Amino acid sequence: GESVGLHLPTLSVQEGDNSIINCAYSNSASDYFIWYKQESGKGPQFIIDIRSNMDKRQGQRVTVLLNKTVKHLSLQIAATQPGDSAVYFCAESSGNTPLVFGKGTRLSVIA
Amino acid sequence: SAVISQKPSRDICQRGTSLTIQCQVDSQVTMMFWYRQQPGQSLTLIATANQGSEATYESGFVIDKFPISRPNLTFSTLTVSNMSPEDSSIYLCSVEKGAVNTEAFFGQGTRLTVV
Repeated sequence: GESVGLHLPTLSVQEGDNSIINCAYSNSASDYFIWYKQESGKGPQFIIDIRSNMDKRQGQRVTVLLNKTVKHLSLQIAATQPGDSAVYFCAESSGNTPLVFGKGTRLSVIA
Repeated sequence: SAVISQKPSRDICQRGTSLTIQCQVDSQVTMMFWYRQQPGQSLTLIATANQGSEATYESGFVIDKFPISRPNLTFSTLTVSNMSPEDSSIYLCSVEKGAVNTEAFFGQGTRLTVV
């Protein structure tokens, strides 16, 4: 299908290496953060979330780190696989406001 | 989780016409949202579709251009009216399950091309 994120920053990673995708957010009142993965021709798919009372959360092969002091969020993917190739978006919300999405990063895994 | 079906998945439309996109959820949800994703861009919220009342639109989006219906707790439509090539985008339906600060689920999107 047609690619999403043709003009997004790209991170190229060798298969098996770890990937780190970064996101800066602007609203200091945001208290809930999500990372989404979007493959070509599909809608965003939930990866992992974190609330502001935490600074780290781990899932299967993924870890999200939150630094509220500098308003920075990162997604770490361990042992990156070709199936991880996609565009990754961070999203934030405050209270019951809808999600606000970051610009996105294209992850390209080199086999 | 929630399973969201959007129709159509893609369409090519003539400028000046309108297209209605349907979003069906497999369970009742309070909050439904419509996003636009322009080529190479991130997702931008168009509006929140409220059941039983008018949709709430974000800055830059108006009801005349993007009328929304929400007849029940499992269904919503977004119409893109009087289309121009600038409306060519992916339009995504999203739902949140539960109360505050919960994960949002997305449909697969509708890829619209206006010629």
